[in-house]
Amino acid sequence: SYELTQPPSVSVSPGQTASINCSGDRLGHKYACWYQQKPGQSPVLVIYQDYKRPSGIPERFSGSDSGNTATLTISGTQAMDEADYYCQAWDSSSYVVFGGGTKLTVL
Amino acid sequence: QVQLQESGPGLVKPSQTLSLTCTVSGGSISSGSYYWSWIRQPAGKGLEWIGRIYTSGSTNYNPSLKSRVTISVDTSKNQFSLKLSSVTAADTAVYYCARTSSGWGTNWFDPWGQGTLVTVSS
Repeated sequence: SYELTQPPSVSVSPGQTASINCSGDRLGHKYACWYQQKPGQSPVLVIYQDYKRPSGIPERFSGSDSGNTATLTISGTQAMDEADYYCQAWDSSSYVVFGGGTKLTVL
Repeated sequence: QVQLQESGPGLVKPSQTLSLTCTVSGGSISSGSYYWSWIRQPAGKGLEWIGRIYTSGSTNYNPSLKSRVTISVDTSKNQFSLKLSSVTAADTAVYYCARTSSGWGTNWFDPWGQGTLVTVSS
């Protein structure tokens, strides 16, 4: 079965750039998307099809996907961006696959 | 805009069948080329996709749950439903429904329902 791997945690200082990686075999040949989940809330889509932002998502959120790694980048990170982030991809055998999630701490 | 709301029993006994319904409001479940999915999340853990359905009735299920899952749709009620049989404590989780966009090699969930906690316990 297909697997996506994320670091359990990432820390960033306010105003700095946060990068969260998601690795999987030939992930660059698949489309990746990203969800933000704050405590007690439902996940929210922040990036789809590697780099596209849904309406209402701030421009500081961006995405890229190459080789075996997809990356979510948050520029000028704000305290409100502290959350869990999940990557997700589609695999022809496993269908929908989620990464294990990364806790972003803004400190 | 489209909103989704899960409903169903919050407590299910081991070995019984978990049944949930997702009601779609703000738009027709049949409009647009969308799938409709169920996803779950055990407390303190990550997300697990359960399966999806198209309004034609076509389904795809997580291979690890396929033998126990049935997803159905009722377009007249703008609802879709989940049945998970032979549940154990490991099925205790928050269950989400979500609208699903899908194309060649791609799939994403937006929006999500608020989620409903289902506990499996005697």
